[in-house]
Amino acid sequence: EADIYQTPRYLVIGTGKKITLECSQTMGHDKMYWYQQDPGMELHLIHYSYGVNSTEKGDLSSESTVSRIRTEHFPLTLESARPSHTSQYLCASSPWGDEAFFGQGTRLTVV
Amino acid sequence: GNSVTQMEGPVTLSEEAFLTINCTYTATGYPSLFWYVQYPGEGLQLLLKATKADDKGSNKGFEATYRKETTSFHLEKGSVQVSDSAVYFCAFMDTGRRALTFGSGTRLQVQP
Repeated sequence: EADIYQTPRYLVIGTGKKITLECSQTMGHDKMYWYQQDPGMELHLIHYSYGVNSTEKGDLSSESTVSRIRTEHFPLTLESARPSHTSQYLCASSPWGDEAFFGQGTRLTVV
Repeated sequence: GNSVTQMEGPVTLSEEAFLTINCTYTATGYPSLFWYVQYPGEGLQLLLKATKADDKGSNKGFEATYRKETTSFHLEKGSVQVSDSAVYFCAFMDTGRRALTFGSGTRLQVQP
């Protein structure tokens, strides 16, 4: 059973607000990822990390930022939320070079 | 560039019907291949995987074989159930940056 947690599960927030989506894993995995899932279901890699103090941008340009100060924690921050940020955000972690384990996702709605 | 192409949905089947969801990939080298499943309102769960050519991954009655010559990893199940209704994603692990590249997903609806 994978132990990766995302909070909150659902978030409705006004335009211009700063938000942080939390992601934590207890498996000691080095690799962590953030994917954005659009309403058409497609998954787009927006950020990933090889380990502490490592962050990389993914395939889809995103106005969000991430940090990796501890192995188990990989939060995603939007400084100023806009309606175009409305989406589902999925966090995942992976032992090096192996399958990825996903959290349950955060469904973000910006009004 | 690297990509995954999978069968468009929705796929609608009656219970106990045979299922095939096609998946082909374009990638450098011989990456590990995966099928993930997403139930409504949930994250993705690993369904099965194969790490080298001719490997067959299997789980819960689902199977897929890593075909290097056709760069394919088609998902099959002999007899689907209503509980199999979900979205299925084919993916491979990019050997360079070690991140999953996904197909666009196929929605399966199984009717009683």
